[in-house]
Amino acid sequence: DAKTTQPPSMDCAEGRAANLPCNHSTISGNEYVYWYRQIHSQGPQYIIHGLKNNETNEMASLIITEDRKSSTLILPHATLRDTAVYYCIVRPMDSSYKLIFGSGTRLLVRP
Amino acid sequence: DAGVTQSPTHLIKTRGQQVTLRCSPKSGHDTVSWYQQALGQGPQFIFQYYEEEERQRGNFPDRFSGHQFPNYSSELNVNALLLGDSALYLCASSSGTRGETQYFGPGTRLLVL
Repeated sequence: DAKTTQPPSMDCAEGRAANLPCNHSTISGNEYVYWYRQIHSQGPQYIIHGLKNNETNEMASLIITEDRKSSTLILPHATLRDTAVYYCIVRPMDSSYKLIFGSGTRLLVRP
Repeated sequence: DAGVTQSPTHLIKTRGQQVTLRCSPKSGHDTVSWYQQALGQGPQFIFQYYEEEERQRGNFPDRFSGHQFPNYSSELNVNALLLGDSALYLCASSSGTRGETQYFGPGTRLLVL
């Protein structure tokens, strides 16, 4: 079973920030938080991951709470092409084994 | 730099047939994982190959088997196809070094009639 909980759907206006929450209250100290997204009928696309510090790359920012029990993926200026299902995944840092996907959050970016 | 590639893109089979799907990993990667994604659900892990051996397996029957070649490419074979095997089959590659990110290919859409 997935170790994360995400809202099933969200929407935001084009050009505004999209903030996608994820709860992972049972995360252990050696587990990363990973985010992927899947645009309709394509393979999942890696976005970002982090352990305990906030992370930023060209696609998004990842904010992890101090107790590591939740995180937020931020798309600073959402575009229509960001409409997708976003998956938050917890994965042990010492393993490249399976990713356990939940149901994800379906983000709709409105014009 | 080529990413993960999969072939074919689409496939139609009938019940009872066998199918082989192919995956070429991203340059520099030596580990291949396979996932099945039914319509409206998240991907489910099938198995992972590293150094030409199955390293970990998900909850899938023995009808699902795989192979990894010396060039790190991989095949997924499904025997005795069932209607319920209709899905998007995804391949992901990573480095054998622990902790590396998995990168996914575009998938193969299999329809079983």
